[in-house]
Amino acid sequence: QSALTQPPSASGSPGQSVTVSCAGTGSDVAAYHYVSWYQQHPGKAPKLIIFEVTKRPSGVPDRFSGSKSGNTASLTVSGLLPEDEADYYCSAFAGNSIVFGTGTKVTVL
Amino acid sequence: QVQLVQSGAEVKKPGASVKITCDISGYPFTSYYMHWVRQAPGQGLEWMGVINPSGGNARYSQKFQGRLTMTRGASTSTVYLELDSLRSEDTAVYYCARDRALIVTPITGDVDYWGQGTLVTVSS
Repeated sequence: QSALTQPPSASGSPGQSVTVSCAGTGSDVAAYHYVSWYQQHPGKAPKLIIFEVTKRPSGVPDRFSGSKSGNTASLTVSGLLPEDEADYYCSAFAGNSIVFGTGTKVTVL
Repeated sequence: QVQLVQSGAEVKKPGASVKITCDISGYPFTSYYMHWVRQAPGQGLEWMGVINPSGGNARYSQKFQGRLTMTRGASTSTVYLELDSLRSEDTAVYYCARDRALIVTPITGDVDYWGQGTLVTVSS
């Protein structure tokens, strides 16, 4: 199972929005409604910010939103804050396995 | 509160084995699937496999078939990861991570709690 494809980097100024894409295949992203997104700060464990494509765990601000169209899922961070600067990973259920994305470093300019 | 506490860092020589523990508290141990995910230095996340703590059955990534074993404690709220025939490419931080899905439902791959990570260094 190949990793899902994400852009290596994305950036935006405080208050702006940034969108990160996650390209998969018909066997993972397109096949199931289990796409999640994780935020990871340096030296820390990942944190779940979106699950089941669009849902946010309790405590995650509504500035974070997820969507999916066909083989591609997306994460949008609105109203960027300095603390949003981190690595972001998507993941998808693929039937017998889980596949992660390649990761995107989001920089707040 | 939910806590996943992993064992400490390990340094191993190529060809050796490593066994990492993940002690679970704050919820019924047998109620949720547990994944293992690793992250090589400066690299992305990689799924290794998942175990059902209730029945003990595990499913592994094809990449690790034959040298990876996931088990759970017989009377403790602990899951274990054992990786054999270590090579330098296995140098990574290893995480245990809880699936959001209850055991009675299918695995989702949405992980809501993570351990703090265990650094395994493989070097001669």
